[in-house]
Amino acid sequence: NAGVTQTPKFQVLKTGQSMTLQCAQDMNHNSMYWYRQDPGMGLRLIYYSASEGTTDKGEVPNGYNVSRLNKREFSLRLESAAPSQTSVYFCASSEFQGTSPLHFGNGTRLTVT
Amino acid sequence: KQEVTQIPAALSVPEGENLVLNCSFTDSAIYNLQWFRQDPGKGLTSLLLIQSSQREQTSGRLNASLDKSSGRSTLYIAASQPGDSATYLCAVRPSNTGKLIFGQGTTLQVKP
Repeated sequence: NAGVTQTPKFQVLKTGQSMTLQCAQDMNHNSMYWYRQDPGMGLRLIYYSASEGTTDKGEVPNGYNVSRLNKREFSLRLESAAPSQTSVYFCASSEFQGTSPLHFGNGTRLTVT
Repeated sequence: KQEVTQIPAALSVPEGENLVLNCSFTDSAIYNLQWFRQDPGKGLTSLLLIQSSQREQTSGRLNASLDKSSGRSTLYIAASQPGDSATYLCAVRPSNTGKLIFGQGTTLQVKP
């Protein structure tokens, strides 16, 4: 009964380093999302994938790229990390975009120094 | 632009009290509204989803209502318990997009 699994749980990067956050869901959901959560800013959508093979920008896509590897997996890549990307990152999935409840992973806490 | 507001930001109540959490949104053209719970260090858990055609949804001790015309939703928690302590967030899906707009949440503490 895994639901949405995110790896890693914690990560510290230096400015300029790159990394990929991994996300996988086992609920056969069509849509997947990446959010970041910051104090005072709430949850903001970075990128989403309405269905396998499609990706679209959210509110704050700059500095990020995504890959919908298959129906189960949706990864988020930081090509050149900046301190402003220090945040908690959440992956979520839903059966259909916008009409079904979202299921969230437990998050990745990223610190960029 | 749709904005979602939750007031108060924090709330503390004694165990057993019935309470209401508020969510307001600026544009009544929504497709649905969801309430979530977030425990410290964890992701969000979906509690209730109300479609725009519905007035309320119930799950156990939770009841969520929706009044689109006034741009408001409430989450009613009956007979609160310490285990209800968490941050509660609402999110609306505007009619013209599949993306959710989140409020900043109300942090609830239920004291034994």
